[in-house]
Parts: sequence; C-alpha cells; structure tokens
Amino acid sequence: SQQGEEDPQALSIQEGENATMNCSYKTSINNLQWYRQNSGRGLVHLILIRSNEREKHSGRLRVTLDTSKKSSSLLITASRAADTASYFCASNNSGGYQKVTFGTGTKLQVIP
Amino acid sequence: DADVTQTPRNRITKTGKRIMLECSQTKGHDRMYWYRQDPGLGLRLIYYSFDVKDINKGEISDGYSVSRQAQAKFSLSLESAIPNQTALYFCATSDAAGTVAGELFFGEGSRLTVL
Repeated sequence: SQQGEEDPQALSIQEGENATMNCSYKTSINNLQWYRQNSGRGLVHLILIRSNEREKHSGRLRVTLDTSKKSSSLLITASRAADTASYFCASNNSGGYQKVTFGTGTKLQVIP
Repeated sequence: DADVTQTPRNRITKTGKRIMLECSQTKGHDRMYWYRQDPGLGLRLIYYSFDVKDINKGEISDGYSVSRQAQAKFSLSLESAIPNQTALYFCATSDAAGTVAGELFFGEGSRLTVL
C-alpha cells in the first residue's frame, strides 16, 4: 500500500505564480523527502526534512512538515516553465528497516 | 557518465520470457534498490540490498528475483514475464547507514513492455 498520498494529482499554473503540493502519510517517520521527475526520467532528490524539523528552505523551495497531522507541503515560489514535472513525496518510516515509501505524485504544469 | 546506469533502457518482450534488468553504480554506495513505477501508483519497492550479502523483499517482490553480484551491481530478473509487469523500472542507491534513509540516487529507468 502507498504510504503517501499527494494532493492535488495535477496542477496547472502560470509562470511566476507559486505552486503548492501537499502530501499525507500514514505512519510515524524519520524523515520525509521530496523528489522531482521530468517526464519518463529518473527521480531527482530535492529536499529532505527530518521529523524534528518543521520547515526547510532550498532556493525557491519551501517544505513544511506537520507530524501531528502526518502531512507535508512543498511550495515552489516564482515558478518557471522548467519546473514542469511530477513531484513525489517519500517517507522514511521510523522503526524497522531503512524503507522509503513514495506517494502517488503531483503533476505540475507551468504555462509560460 | 551517469552515476547510476540501467540497461536496457527499453525492452519489449513476450509473455513467458525471462528478462534481466541490470543496474551498475559508480557512487560507491552500499545500499541499492529496485522500484517499479506505474501510472497513478507512484513508485513501489520490489527488492533492496544493504550490501552484497544482504537481499530483502519489498512491497511487490512476487514474480521477481534479484542478484547483487558486487557492491556496484544489482540485477532484477523476471523469470517468466507477464503483461502486468509492463512498467517503468528504476534502480536507486543510497549511502545512508542505520535505519534512517537518506537521499536516493536514481538511474534513468528501464521501460519494459510485456506483450
């Protein structure tokens, strides 16, 4: 079963606007990661936020984590056409082995 | 050259055939993974290996087997391919230790079609 569910499944915005994607997960985690995938290509790591962190920034990316709600969000500010891709959250479940479970992804389209 | 290389990149085969997907890495990581991606389902873990003597089943290992030939090589086999194994397959590596996962580094994927 999928650990993460993402919302929305698809998002279309104009260049320059902000894009927000949300992720929910089911069990307690060590960390949560966000990945980007250009169409049919391999996934690329964007950012990792630990369970004891609430917010993290990297360039135009801002990630928040709310462990009480088992949710995370990825904000891309001042979007560009090159940001068009699918974005996946991936949770590292606490306890047991080092497993990273992916959500179903949000497909972002940025219109020039 | 890519750090994580998958071969073949594309393969079309017939039901019942044996298929091997290969993954090699130059990152020096101990941990290697095989995932499969289907539209609308995200990535699902098939097998993972923490070193050459350690192989573990993931969520969807039925119908698949793996071999860790060396630290740098991790192969995925479909002994008798069936159409619902048509998917995009990814190999990934990680240098994290212990039970906490770190960043995964992905190959470019192997697109498999089973007719």
